[in-house]
Amino acid sequence: GDSVTQTEGPVTVSESESLIINCTYSATSIAYPNLFWYVRYPGEGLQLLLKVITAGQKGSSRGFEATYNKETTSFHLQKASVQESDSAVYYCALGEASGSFNKLTFGAGTRLAVCP
Amino acid sequence: GALVYQYPRRTICKSGTSMRMECQAVGFQATSVAWYRQSPQKTFELIALSTVNSAIKYEQNFTQEKFPISHPNLSFSSMTVLNAYLEDRGLYLCGARESAETLYFGSGTRLTVL
Repeated sequence: GDSVTQTEGPVTVSESESLIINCTYSATSIAYPNLFWYVRYPGEGLQLLLKVITAGQKGSSRGFEATYNKETTSFHLQKASVQESDSAVYYCALGEASGSFNKLTFGAGTRLAVCP
Repeated sequence: GALVYQYPRRTICKSGTSMRMECQAVGFQATSVAWYRQSPQKTFELIALSTVNSAIKYEQNFTQEKFPISHPNLSFSSMTVLNAYLEDRGLYLCGARESAETLYFGSGTRLTVL
């Protein structure tokens, strides 16, 4: 089946430091998966951070970036300078291409703690 | 903007009893709704996909008899956890789809079973 593996947390970084959370995927049932990063802040639900539906493309949002690399089956999340407000749990996910439904396969989540 | 309201936020029920959670799409028409569960120490797993005017599709290990879902219109869906036991505890999320790629999630219902 499909699977997503991401950096095991918790990850602790200091404010203004750079961040990378690794994500690799295996899509055995989907030929051209869409890739997503979701974020869950304390006490809230999942929010879509960014998505990329085409291999080779880069998505970006709120200073975060991730590039869909089909050769290495990776979708690492990066940010050049984190803020304390970025403290949250980040989930990498893959989903079926448009026209299909809402089935997402999530990674285990990476808890990020940003220290002031 | 598009929002998904999910309630209750938290609920506690006695072992063997049932509880119902609701999901409402605001600002868009949710033609399909997905229900997920995050059990303790696990990631989110899909319970079922519900599409208006179509049969609800349950994933392996989840059944309609245990998690009946109602999706009567384009803005509302509910799911019940029947005869809840300890293994049913966790965070339940509904996700409603606005477009082909965009899935909006509610804030979740955290179920505690005593």
